[in-house]
Amino acid sequence: EIMMTQSPATLSVSPGGRATLSCRASQTISGNLAWFQQRPGQTPRLLVYGASTRAKDIPARFNGTGSGTDFTLTISSLQPEDFAVYYCQQYHHWPPWTFGQGTKVEIK
Amino acid sequence: QVHLVESGGGVVQPGTSLRLSCVGSGFTFNQYVMHWVRHTPGKGLEWVAVSSHDGNNTYCADSVQGRFSVSRDNSKNTLYLYMNSLRHTDTAVYYCARGTRGGFFGGFWGPGTLVTVSS
Repeated sequence: EIMMTQSPATLSVSPGGRATLSCRASQTISGNLAWFQQRPGQTPRLLVYGASTRAKDIPARFNGTGSGTDFTLTISSLQPEDFAVYYCQQYHHWPPWTFGQGTKVEIK
Repeated sequence: QVHLVESGGGVVQPGTSLRLSCVGSGFTFNQYVMHWVRHTPGKGLEWVAVSSHDGNNTYCADSVQGRFSVSRDNSKNTLYLYMNSLRHTDTAVYYCARGTRGGFFGGFWGPGTLVTVSS
């Protein structure tokens, strides 16, 4: 099973600021990584797949990079609706599909 | 457009059983892999189970193996999750999500159904 580790657990950022979220896989997953956003009480929302391809209707301020074992999601110019929990997920070696434990982006 | 709706959640006692359903519409249901994923505030998102497009291949996570099973009825555009020997730790919001044969999933989710296991 591939373990996904996200850091930090919580990130405090001012509105308009920049957030950098990290995700590390326990073994190489090539570019088979997705990022999801989940606001309280809401369904997960796909942001990025293939490590760097934004999903439909996702704003350009969300940028995914990385390959192999190390990945980053950068959110530039944070908007009020961006304060949420973010999860990475690998779909390279399955089953099982595995998620990171999440990074909470909170208002500073 | 693609629409997924789960049902069947509720409050149940430990050791009992429950069946969740997920109805899909707006796409050709029998052409897609379908997943169950759960969310808890403490553990986040956890993949639970998957069914191939025809239901002939299914897998469950180790945490539910032997207690949960997944099946589908393509004539009814419906995915099921059979949950037996429920534990407190199974308390979660359960989502169904549409997948692909290549392994990726997550573009389409249902709104979820809450399962609470409590004595």
